[in-house]
Amino acid sequence: KAGVTQTPRYLIKTRGQQVTLSCSPISGHRSVSWYQQTPGQGLQFLFEYFSETQRNKGNFPGRFSGRQFSNSRSEMNVSTLELGDSALYLCASSPRTEGLGTDTQYFGPGTRLTVL
Amino acid sequence: KNQVEQSPQSLIILEGKNCTLQCNYTVSPFSNLRWYKQDTGRGPVSLTIMTFSENTKSNGRYTATLDADTKQSSLHITASQLSDSASYICVVSGFGNEKLTFGTGTRLTIIP
Repeated sequence: KAGVTQTPRYLIKTRGQQVTLSCSPISGHRSVSWYQQTPGQGLQFLFEYFSETQRNKGNFPGRFSGRQFSNSRSEMNVSTLELGDSALYLCASSPRTEGLGTDTQYFGPGTRLTVL
Repeated sequence: KNQVEQSPQSLIILEGKNCTLQCNYTVSPFSNLRWYKQDTGRGPVSLTIMTFSENTKSNGRYTATLDADTKQSSLHITASQLSDSASYICVVSGFGNEKLTFGTGTRLTIIP
């Protein structure tokens, strides 16, 4: 079974631009979660999508948004990029048979975003 | 505020030696605790998951313990190998809110 895939793997943008990241979950998984990872803050939860609906949201500004398509693929968008948005963005999928806190999440390799 | 603290921040040990990583949390009410291994440049991979009623869980050379009374967990690695070099992240889920709280990780380096 193919794992979670994320595209692109690396991205360089400048301040003020916007960016869209893509995540394809494991086949059959309906939940997709997004995380930001930085050296100082570690992993931080952005949001979770299940059946095309946002189910959970972390404490990030509205510049961070996402969506999920009917095939469970998900995209994350960051508008008006800031230098502090430079990070590794990880996507994780799970079958969500019970709950986000209970299911095992399977992570993709991440997208490394650099904002100049 | 829910928090997860890990110690040490980094650790260097010789190949073949054992080591123990620590995780303290304040998440309440508690649902479960997981340990993840993250190799450089890759996403985290789940090692163990423990619920309130479990106090130990093993996965090969990895053994996690949980003391829900003191809100502490440890990850013990036996007979370390070079491939164990990675960051180990403790993640706690609160009951009912489904939000995950992550520790900042312990960076483990195994030297030959």
